[in-house]
Amino acid sequence: QVQVVQSGAEMKKPGASVKVSCKASAYNLNNYYVHWVRQAPGQGLEWMGVINGNDGTANYAKQFQGRVILTRDTSTGTIYLELSSLRSEDTALYYCAREPAPGTSFFDDWGQGTLVTVSS
Amino acid sequence: SALTQPASLSESPGQSITISCTGTSSDVGSYNLVSWYQHRPGKAPKLMIYGDTERPSGVSNRFSGSKSGSTASLTISGLQAEDEADYYCCSFAGSATYVFGTGTKVTVL
Repeated sequence: QVQVVQSGAEMKKPGASVKVSCKASAYNLNNYYVHWVRQAPGQGLEWMGVINGNDGTANYAKQFQGRVILTRDTSTGTIYLELSSLRSEDTALYYCAREPAPGTSFFDDWGQGTLVTVSS
Repeated sequence: SALTQPASLSESPGQSITISCTGTSSDVGSYNLVSWYQHRPGKAPKLMIYGDTERPSGVSNRFSGSKSGSTASLTISGLQAEDEADYYCCSFAGSATYVFGTGTKVTVL
C-alpha cells in the first residue's frame, strides 16, 4: 500500500511558483529527514534538497539554491516543496523520499510522484 | 556533477550483469554511503542496496553491491524478466548534499 502520499499534478506558467506536499499515512514525516528528487522527461533522477522534519532546517542542491524552499507543517505532519521562477526545464515528476534515520543517507520510502508541467 | 553509469546494459535470462557507478574522491570515494535504486516506469524508485553493500530486507539476494575506490557496482545475478528497469546509484557528497548517477537501462533479452 502507498505509505507516502503526494499532492496531485500541477500545471503552471513560466515565472510562477508551485508548492507540492508530501505526507505519510503510517508515520509522521516530521520525525525524519525528507528528501526531494525530480525526474525530467527522458532524464535521470536529480537530488534537490533535504529537510530535517524535527527542526525544519534544510539544505539544497547548488543548482536550486534561491529557487527552492522546503518547509514542514508540524500540526499535520506534512512536508512541502516550493519551487519558484518556474521555467519549462522544471517540467518533471517530483518525488519526496524518507531517510530512515539521520546519517543513513539512503531513501527507503518514496511518494508516488507529482507531475509539474510548466508551459505557457 | 552526476555520477557516471553506462546508459544501457542487456543480457539473457539467468546471466549476470554488473552496473558501474563512477564518482570522485569527494563523493563515492569518501563515504561508504552509496545506495542503488530500481526504477520502473510509472512507479516510485525502490531501494535495492544501501551503505555500498547492504541489502534491505525483502530485496532478492540476487542483487549485491560492491565498491572499489571511487567506483561502486551493482551486480544482478540470475537475471529475470522482472529485473528489467532503470537503475540509479546515489552517493552522499558531503555538506548534506547527494548526487545521483546518470542511470542505466537494463534489458533482459
